[in-house]
Formats: sequence, structure tokens, C-alpha cells
Amino acid sequence: DVKVTQSSRYLVKRTGEKVFLECVQDMDHENMFWYRQDPGLGLRLIYFSYDVKMKEKGDIPEGYSVSREKKERFSLILESASTNQTSMYLCASSLQGSHYGYTFGSGTRLTVV
Amino acid sequence: GENVEQHPSTLSVQEGDSAVIKCTYSDSASNYFPWYKQELGKRPQLIIDIRSNVGEKKDQRIAVTLNKTAKHFSLHITETQPEDSAVYFCAASPPDSWGKFQFGAGTQVVVTP
Repeated sequence: DVKVTQSSRYLVKRTGEKVFLECVQDMDHENMFWYRQDPGLGLRLIYFSYDVKMKEKGDIPEGYSVSREKKERFSLILESASTNQTSMYLCASSLQGSHYGYTFGSGTRLTVV
Repeated sequence: GENVEQHPSTLSVQEGDSAVIKCTYSDSASNYFPWYKQELGKRPQLIIDIRSNVGEKKDQRIAVTLNKTAKHFSLHITETQPEDSAVYFCAASPPDSWGKFQFGAGTQVVVTP
């Protein structure tokens, strides 16, 4: 009963390519998030969205953009992939408000060569 | 903004012993503190959470304590088992953050038989 689905588990892209990472949730959650996970650095927020077409920058938005055209789908876009964007990317969703936990997707391991 | 520090970064315990992970937060208005467990190759999953109006919460072998005055909260795992081996993340959520969390850097827990 997977509730947050990320389109790819592993992805290899070339430097300079435009990369799309897709995330879909079926729980009717208002909030959706994109995190990057690197060893020793924990989970760092790239962007989040609290409603359709609404987005807010997180801690490390440089080099990324997002799109939320429908409530269930939140896309992360790497406009021009670089090797320092090689990482694990985690999508999450939650109900709106400060007392609700996240449900995470399984992650996308992106390698930029 | 909120800042969360987590210690230790690695923790090795003998099976059957207890494990304690401590997190400190900076924003005194934060009112929700979840803990996530991430097993190798899997998504982070919520294991326990605590709200700021509660000092302690237990769920079988895990417990979380919150000291609002000192701005720290801790995860306690008793009678550790090999399946407790994972990375554990703490997080804090201020009330005006739309449900956005600030995560700690994570603790790698290794339980040796």
C-alpha cells in the first residue's frame, strides 16, 4: 500500500541535462516536500509546497525548481544537472499544520556523470 | 529559523542494552517533535512523536522525552535488537512553518549480537 511514489529508484544523467524527478501521493495531503539526503548532512529541504501552484524555497534551492500543477503530484527539476547534485532525493507529503508527520517516498538515487 | 542538532552521529550498542539519542532545538516555539527510522535502502518511517504539551511518550521499547526549558528531546530504545540497527532522525516543527520540519543530521545505530 505505497502512498508516496517516486517515479524512478535509480537514475543516471549527464552533466548539463535537464532532469525531472516525479512524486505522486494518494493521501490527499496538502503539503509536499523535496529533500536531499547526503551522508553526514542528514535531510536538507530543497523546496516545499503547501498547495497547488504554491511553492516555497527550502534550505538549498539553488540549481533546482519545482512544479505542482495538481495536488497529488510534485515535480523536482534540475535545470542543468551538475556532478554535485549526485545524491539521494526523497519526496514526502503531510497534512497541513505543525502536528502531522511526513510520509516519505522510497527515494531516487541520482548520479550525474 | 529552527536549527536542530543531533548527537551522537554513530552509536554502537550490545544487543539487549539501551540506546539514547539526544536532540537540541533552537526555536522555543517549536511544538512538535517526530522521530524517524531509516533502515538501509528504505524510506524513513515515523516511529514516535511528541507534542510540546507532553513530557514523555512511550510505545513498547521506544520512548521520547521532551524538556522544553532546556530545549532538548531524546529517543530511548530499551532492550535493543539487531532490527533496531538503522539511521534515526529527529525533527522539530515550529507552529508557523506550514508543517515544515527541521531535521537533525541523523544517528547511525548499530546493534551487535
